[in-house]
Amino acid sequence: EADIYQTPRYLVIGTGKKITLECSQTMGHDKMYWYQQDPGMELHLIHYSYGVNSTEKGDLSSESTVSRIRTEHFPLTLESARPSHTSQYLCASMGQGSNQPQHFGDGTRLSIL
Amino acid sequence: GDSVTQMEGPVTLSEEAFLTINCTYTATGYPSLFWYVQYPGEGLQLLLKATKADDKGSNKGFEATYRKETTSFHLEKGSVQVSDSAVYFCALSDRNFNKFYFGSGTKLNVKP
Repeated sequence: EADIYQTPRYLVIGTGKKITLECSQTMGHDKMYWYQQDPGMELHLIHYSYGVNSTEKGDLSSESTVSRIRTEHFPLTLESARPSHTSQYLCASMGQGSNQPQHFGDGTRLSIL
Repeated sequence: GDSVTQMEGPVTLSEEAFLTINCTYTATGYPSLFWYVQYPGEGLQLLLKATKADDKGSNKGFEATYRKETTSFHLEKGSVQVSDSAVYFCALSDRNFNKFYFGSGTKLNVKP
């Protein structure tokens, strides 16, 4: 069973605040991902990591940044939140080898006022 | 590049009706194919997968067959339930098994 956790589940915060969305997994997966999900449901890859000290930007440009200091932890940070950052953020991880699925957390719903 | 196209929703069905959600893909090489389901307020859950041509993935009454000749992976269920109401995503993993490409999602509403 997949074990990947995101906190907080919901966050409502004012413009200009620094925000960190947490994502942790207990499966020892090297590959981790952040997606932004718009109201139309489509998923957009914004960051990914293939292991410790590895981070890459995804297909959708994002003002957020990520870090990967430990295998199990992949936090996403917004230095100065804006209303345009309001969205659902989903974290996922994937094991090594072919044909592996991605395992998802329950997401963080972020609202910037 | 790799991509997935799935039918637009919402799809509204009565309970016990037959379900088909179409999915076609474009990929280099031989990708693995997946269907995920997302219930309200939750993340995506793996529903089923197929890793090579002619494989059939199945779970909870849902089925999908990997058709290389038509580059398709349509999701089917013989008799839907109200509890199947959710958003369904078709996805493929790239040839290096590093990134996933998701369709735009199809919302299914099942009415009693």
